[in-house]
Amino acid sequence: DARVTQTPRHKVTEMGQEVTMRCQPILGHNTVFWYRQTMMQGLELLAYFRNRAPLDDSGMPKDRFSAEMPDATLATLKIQPSEPRDSAVYFCASGLRRGTNPDTQYFGPGTRLTVL
Amino acid sequence: AQKVTQAQTEISVVEKEDVTLDCVYETRDTTYYLFWYKQPPSGELVFLIRRNSFDEQNEISGRYSWNFQKSTSSFNFTITASQVVDSAVYFCAHGSSNTGKLIFGQGTTLQVKP
Repeated sequence: DARVTQTPRHKVTEMGQEVTMRCQPILGHNTVFWYRQTMMQGLELLAYFRNRAPLDDSGMPKDRFSAEMPDATLATLKIQPSEPRDSAVYFCASGLRRGTNPDTQYFGPGTRLTVL
Repeated sequence: AQKVTQAQTEISVVEKEDVTLDCVYETRDTTYYLFWYKQPPSGELVFLIRRNSFDEQNEISGRYSWNFQKSTSSFNFTITASQVVDSAVYFCAHGSSNTGKLIFGQGTTLQVKP
């Protein structure tokens, strides 16, 4: 049963610290998405990769957030420096995009981030 | 721009009742896809169904059924004979063929009481 995995599942840190979240997409999937979920904003798309290339990161605060895919089995989302308003659940999702059809996205369990 | 509206913020039913979750979308895409996801208390988002804009046939999967009506831009989800395990937040989403991105509604929290 293939699943998206995310680490860590929970992270508590202090304001100003660097936070790195990791995601292992489902083997064979060629798209990776990072979302943030908060009560106020719901699910927001932060970044989107296809074949490891960043396609859209318009939803991400550029000054402190960065997203990369060092290889096909690892995606990272980094916050530096972190702020209390970054507290949220961060989800990674992966999919297999064929042609122009939007892929079904399969979500990981999320990383619950608390910035004190 | 695409938009998904789930007007029902919270619904509470008693076990065995039928319940319908509403989803209305706005789109300029001629081809698009619609999705439903379930987020149980454990937090993970679980994929339930995907429909493309050319296929308006209703779909049934066990106690779940979906009604897609392009004329009213709606993609409603019905749970028949609800169970306590159906308690979750349910999200409707629009997928663009142009960008591949999903736009999610705000979600409907369903509570099924025993």
